[in-house]
Amino acid sequence: DAGVIQSPRHEVTEMGQEVTLRCKPISGHNSLFWYRQTMMRGLELLIYFNNNVPIDDSGMPEDRFSAKMPNASFSTLKIQPSEPRDSAVYFCASNRGSERTEAFFGQGTRLTVV
Amino acid sequence: KQEVTQIPAALSVPEGENLVLNCSFTDSAIYNLQWFRQDPGKGLTSLLLIQSSQREQTSGRLNASLDKSSGRSTLYIAASQPGDSATYLCAKTTRNNDMRFGAGTRLTVKP
Repeated sequence: DAGVIQSPRHEVTEMGQEVTLRCKPISGHNSLFWYRQTMMRGLELLIYFNNNVPIDDSGMPEDRFSAKMPNASFSTLKIQPSEPRDSAVYFCASNRGSERTEAFFGQGTRLTVV
Repeated sequence: KQEVTQIPAALSVPEGENLVLNCSFTDSAIYNLQWFRQDPGKGLTSLLLIQSSQREQTSGRLNASLDKSSGRSTLYIAASQPGDSATYLCAKTTRNNDMRFGAGTRLTVKP
């Protein structure tokens, strides 16, 4: 398996524009996580899905953020409109959802909003 | 609220030294505790996973322990090498597969 795949790797956009980040989890994994990493706040859990169903989105900072998982092999994180303070590295991770299973991370998307 | 705390935030040691990284967490009802490594500009790589019923796990020079009653986990690295330089993060997983991270310990091993 190619691992967790995120796209794009880098995104530079202007304030006010819509940004869509994409994630393909490892095949067979039924849980998917979106995290945001910054120097100030570390790695924050934004939202996670079990079997394509959002379980906890309390980490989503504002209504400008939304996430979907239309099927087991694809998820998106959308920011609309984007703001400079959204600049961060966004990671997607997946696992099999049991206590025995380790989580695998993608390489992240570095988002810069100017 | 800080659910997972890691101490120290940064650590610098000479090559060959044994070292311990600490992780403390609230809520003893965890499913597992994982230790990850992150190199600059990269994603996270899982090193060790300790299930709630286990006390420790070992992989090569790494040993991780878990004490649920005190809410603590440690990562022991034996005979450190410059290639061990990275940020080490611990994560607790609780009900519904909720996985939360500490801020990490940035380790530098000097040749």
